[in-house]
This record gives sequence, structure tokens and C-alpha cells, in this order.
Amino acid sequence: GQQVMQIPQYQHVQEGEDFTTYCNSSTTLSNIQWYKQRPGGHPVFLIQLVKSGEVKKQKRLTFQFGEAKKNSSLHITATQTTDVGTYFCAGMKTSYDKVIFGPGTSLSVIP
Amino acid sequence: DTGVSQDPRHKITKRGQNVTFRCDPISEHNRLYWYRQTLGQGPEFLTYFQNEAQLEKSRLLSDRFSAERPKGSFSTLEIQRTEQGDSAMYLCASSLVQGARNEQYFGPGTRLTVT
Repeated sequence: GQQVMQIPQYQHVQEGEDFTTYCNSSTTLSNIQWYKQRPGGHPVFLIQLVKSGEVKKQKRLTFQFGEAKKNSSLHITATQTTDVGTYFCAGMKTSYDKVIFGPGTSLSVIP
Repeated sequence: DTGVSQDPRHKITKRGQNVTFRCDPISEHNRLYWYRQTLGQGPEFLTYFQNEAQLEKSRLLSDRFSAERPKGSFSTLEIQRTEQGDSAMYLCASSLVQGARNEQYFGPGTRLTVT
């Protein structure tokens, strides 16, 4: 079945350092989504990428979708304590398929 | 508050008892998902509905789990003969599928503890 993997599982950074998490799918995806879950909270939608090679930015966050539509990355520039949480990627094989979540990357930011 | 509500927020039950959870999605959303999440893991797909039709149920889900979405509005998830391994957070999410757009809005979850 379809699998979505993420690395690293955990990342501890000093405030101000950059952070990147990588997502890989065992199958080609129609689109990929990214979610953030704060400790004790529920996943919150960040962005969806649809096109091969697509790059989108949200302030300090940069999202990329690979050319083959099987991998993606999230890069945070100059982390802040408000960035703390677990970042999940989630993929769909088709627009009408179910969404499969990766295991997430837990980010800790040391002030 | 995303507009997706779940009830109850917490449920403690004894092994062998049946439990039922409710999810009220955002009213105009046509798709509803149920997930299970344990500590340190990502949301695990359980089942999803397009309007009132149940499109897929995870093969990992035993026959003790059943979900309904009558009239394509709220949904219920029932677990029969609960086991300690069922202890987890049960998340509901809804989305409005339009073309390629399918962002999900999650509810606060129901935390189940089976003793």
C-alpha cells in the first residue's frame, strides 16, 4: 500500500537556525499537503502543492514538491519558538483518494 | 476553532464496552475523514465519506469499528468490545473537495482511554 515517510523524526535547533524536513512517498502523488500540530493540539493545514516542481512560500516557510511528485520538503528560515510543533506531510494518489499522513517531524526550538 | 466539533472530548471506558463518538463537520464540506492518532505518530487513516457514501475503510480496522454519516452531515464512529489497544486520540476532519483542492480541517479530537 501507499506509504509516506518523513525524516528526520526529531530536530532540535537553536532559535534563529534553519530547519528542513523531508517527505517521501512510495508512489507518485496527485498532490501533497503540509500540516502543523502544536503540542496538545490538532493538525492545522498549512499548504497544498499540486504541480511538479512547485515551490510556495509563506513568510519564513518554503515548501517544495519534487519533479517526480514523489517527494517534498518544508524549510523554515530563522526558526522562532512559535515554530515548535510536529510537521506532517500528507499525500493523495488522486484528487479523490484518501489522504495518507507521514509520521511527522517534531521540531524543538531552543531559545 | 476550525468549525469542526467532536463529542465527547474525553472518554474513559472499561475493556469490553462499546463507545460511540460524534463528529460535526463544517456544514458545506462534502468529505469527512476519521483518523486515529497515538503519541508520537501521525494521524492513521481509518475511513472517509464523500457526502453520505463511505468510500474506503482501512484494512487495519477490525470489524469492531464502524462509521456512519447519515444524510451526509454529522458522522459517528462506533467501537464495539473495546480493547486496551484502542486507547488513542480519534480525530475527525472535513474538507470541501473542489478540483485538486482538498485541505482538511480537523476537530479537537476525542481521547479514548480503555482501562
